[in-house]
Amino acid sequence: QVQLQESGPGLVKPSETLSLTCAVSGYSISSGYYWGWIRQPPGKGLEWIGSIYHSGSTYYNPSLKSRVTISVDTSKNQFSLKLSSVTAADTAVYYCARVAYYDILTGYSPVGGFDYWGQGTLVTVSS
Amino acid sequence: QSALTQPPSVSGSPGQSVTISCTGTSSDVGSYNRVSWYQQPPGTAPKLMIYEVSNRPSGVPDRFSGSKSGNTASLTISGLQAEDEADYYCSSYTSSSTYVVFGGGTKLTVL
Repeated sequence: QVQLQESGPGLVKPSETLSLTCAVSGYSISSGYYWGWIRQPPGKGLEWIGSIYHSGSTYYNPSLKSRVTISVDTSKNQFSLKLSSVTAADTAVYYCARVAYYDILTGYSPVGGFDYWGQGTLVTVSS
Repeated sequence: QSALTQPPSVSGSPGQSVTISCTGTSSDVGSYNRVSWYQQPPGTAPKLMIYEVSNRPSGVPDRFSGSKSGNTASLTISGLQAEDEADYYCSSYTSSSTYVVFGGGTKLTVL
């Protein structure tokens, strides 16, 4: 059974960098699929942040691209999110998830249904 | 404002069927079959219910079905049960630089 678990500080000060890690168990990241981050502000909808492949190939939401870095550590079977210069608007529940899309012709894709999700972690931006 | 348009709320009685719409454009729903639907009960992570327009992951009841016509995708839940009460979100691949777009969500109330 594939399981994902987010970890990181629940409180970040404005202008600082938000850092989260997603530990994956039950599946080796090196075996395939893209892995992504999605966030949900309190009481609002979902927003895709970005996705990464085990090779390090990344795709980001253009609205966040200048502030986002997603990296992968295959030796630890985990991937991470860094979001810089945070403001109160970045307060949200942050989820990590697996992108369940594979096409026999084009291979794995950073875009598709997210089939396995972490439980989510609330990050509050406040001084 | 979300890229995909969903009704804010729908409701139905146990045993009835409800359909949730998800309207996009020719840049997303209308041109690609990478439309997904998620169920999110309060305080929980989203759960994938439908992928690639009409496919159900293992374990999802066949009461849930997906379809698409033009720029609008739809999720139909038949034989409504109390446990179906949740927020539902659609998403799609988009040819714009955004890559992934979500709908604003629909709250399903089982009366």
